[in-house]
Amino acid sequence: EAQVTQNPRYLITVTGKKLTVTCSQNMNHEYMSWYRQDPGLGLRQIYYSMNVEVTDKGDVPEGYKVSRKEKRNFPLILESPSPNQTSLYFCASSLGLAGGIGSNEQFFGPGTRLTVL
Amino acid sequence: GNSVTQMEGPVTLSEEAFLTINCTYTATGYPSLFWYVQYPGEGLQLLLKATKADDKGSNKGFEATYRKETTSFHLEKGSVQVSDSAVYFCALRKPGNQFYFGTGTSLTVIP
Repeated sequence: EAQVTQNPRYLITVTGKKLTVTCSQNMNHEYMSWYRQDPGLGLRQIYYSMNVEVTDKGDVPEGYKVSRKEKRNFPLILESPSPNQTSLYFCASSLGLAGGIGSNEQFFGPGTRLTVL
Repeated sequence: GNSVTQMEGPVTLSEEAFLTINCTYTATGYPSLFWYVQYPGEGLQLLLKATKADDKGSNKGFEATYRKETTSFHLEKGSVQVSDSAVYFCALRKPGNQFYFGTGTSLTVIP
């Protein structure tokens, strides 16, 4: 089954304790992305990756890191989490694009609810 | 800059009523436009899309037309069902692959 998986689904942690949220897709997609969803703000893009070893900042990258060492995985790293990073996080993937313009569908993971105390 | 503005919810309709959810955008270049739907406890799913001016996206009875002159991409459905209850997000993808989403509009359809 084609899917995007995220782990963990729920996480409660404390300020300053490094954590990683994993994201994996089995569709051989080039493009992967991380979003956070907050009430009244919708989804905001954190980072995205066009392919292996290629990552770019989205709208709200501060306090986050990502890596793309393999095509299928795109982990989100919070080196020193703070309470304002309490949110619902979604990973997504899609086929790559030729020419940078297109409408390829993004497939979203089920979400990770993170609480930072 | 780039941004998406959606009508605020929540929206409550009776079954078989007509639905419109307004979406306007600000973008440089020629973005692609999308509507995504999120059911409770799930991730987002693509509902429909349009890649250029005057394109009409449609799926499951929903429609939206890419209007460059009014920078709009309003979502419509002629007769909603209880199963359409969800949160709807308008989004744009600018060349270069950065995405911008609206704040979402919650729709509840009552029998």
